[in-house]
Amino acid sequence: NAGVTQTPKFRVLKTGQSMTLLCAQDMNHEYMYWYRQDPGMGLRLIHYSVGEGTTAKGEVPDGYNVSRLKKQNFLLGLESAAPSQTSVYFCASSPLTSGGPGVGEQFFGPGTRLTVL
Amino acid sequence: AQSVTQLDSQVPVFEEAPVELRCNYSSSVSVYLFWYVQYPNQGLQLLLKYLSGSTLVKGINGFEAEFNKSQTSFHLRKPSVHISDTAEYFCAVISYSSASKIIFGSGTRLSIRP
Repeated sequence: NAGVTQTPKFRVLKTGQSMTLLCAQDMNHEYMYWYRQDPGMGLRLIHYSVGEGTTAKGEVPDGYNVSRLKKQNFLLGLESAAPSQTSVYFCASSPLTSGGPGVGEQFFGPGTRLTVL
Repeated sequence: AQSVTQLDSQVPVFEEAPVELRCNYSSSVSVYLFWYVQYPNQGLQLLLKYLSGSTLVKGINGFEAEFNKSQTSFHLRKPSVHISDTAEYFCAVISYSSASKIIFGSGTRLSIRP
């Protein structure tokens, strides 16, 4: 099993450009998440999904959109990139639990390092 | 609103020495608590979690943490560290009333000296 994979691993954008980050998991998990990690700030939740066809806002959703058309994939889009979106982006997934999303063990991908010039 | 504070941004210790990484949280309702570890250039990995029951939680790699409700703390401990424990450690909290909103602390970088 590959676990959680992220594409691409690195990307450099110019201000105003758009891009999509792809996350894929092969563990049949219901929940999926997108985080950003900035120095000294830990991880912050951008958006999450509780199942195929659903998405919800996390702590820092502005400037991002997401889609989950298939259970195994969770896409993060930046419509018009800004320098403030320079960060490392992590995708994660977790199984269905009675406590809700986030309560079960999250499995993380290796991350995507994005630089916006 | 809930929040998490990791009091130490960096903790240097000698190999085979004990270590404690501190985590305090604030929340007006009951919480679930987690410790995740991030090795260099990797994603996060769950060390342990407290959902309910015994306040002493044992995790992987010899780590344990104790939930202290009165002090709103969830400190991580290991009696004897190894070079391989060099990593960044994140405490995280979810409140019962907002299960989707997991909040991570800013992290503690553990460096092991031989």
